[in-house]
Amino acid sequence: EAGVAQSPRYKIIEKRQSVAFWCNPISGHATLYWYQQILGQGPKLLIQFQNNGVVDDSQLPKDRFSAERLKGVDSTLKIQPAKLEDSAVYLCASSRGGPQETQYFGPGTRLLVL
Amino acid sequence: QQPVQSPQAVILREGEDAVINCSSSKALYSVHWYRQKHGEAPVFLMILLKGGEQKGHEKISASFNEKKQQSSLYLTASQLSYSGTYFCGTGPYSSASKIIFGSGTRLSIRP
Repeated sequence: EAGVAQSPRYKIIEKRQSVAFWCNPISGHATLYWYQQILGQGPKLLIQFQNNGVVDDSQLPKDRFSAERLKGVDSTLKIQPAKLEDSAVYLCASSRGGPQETQYFGPGTRLLVL
Repeated sequence: QQPVQSPQAVILREGEDAVINCSSSKALYSVHWYRQKHGEAPVFLMILLKGGEQKGHEKISASFNEKKQQSSLYLTASQLSYSGTYFCGTGPYSSASKIIFGSGTRLSIRP
């Protein structure tokens, strides 16, 4: 079974630029999560999708971050404009159903904002 | 509320045992344990859903005390491959839609 795929793996941009990350979850997984992991900290949930609907986006900075999951499969996360404090690893995870199911993480995208 | 993990870091010699604790200020429905090696994605270890339940994964086991709102991860006869950062994620009753991760416990195993 193929794992969660993410691209790009690394991205360096200057502040105020925009950036987009892509995630393809494990086939058949209804739930998709985007996490932000700052160095030395645990993953922080940004947004959770159930199929193509948003379940939780309470910690998504909506003035600059947006995410979509068209057709309930792959997803994109966008930052526009980026700030220095957005430097982090962005992890995508998927699970079969609700949050009590095992979450499988992708390799992440390491973002550096200069 | 983010769960509190202790200790923040621990260094062991191969073969020694370790305990990592995870405490929450909220009533819990579930506790999830993950291990993350440097530069890699978190890898699932186990989920505990019932109070007092103990689960095992090779020489790694965990307990969940629902009353005390805490979980402990036990690593027995540690191996070099156990090195990494261990995260607990707690699923509170009040917000069954997500789990919240602690800040992690860094475990280093020396030969």
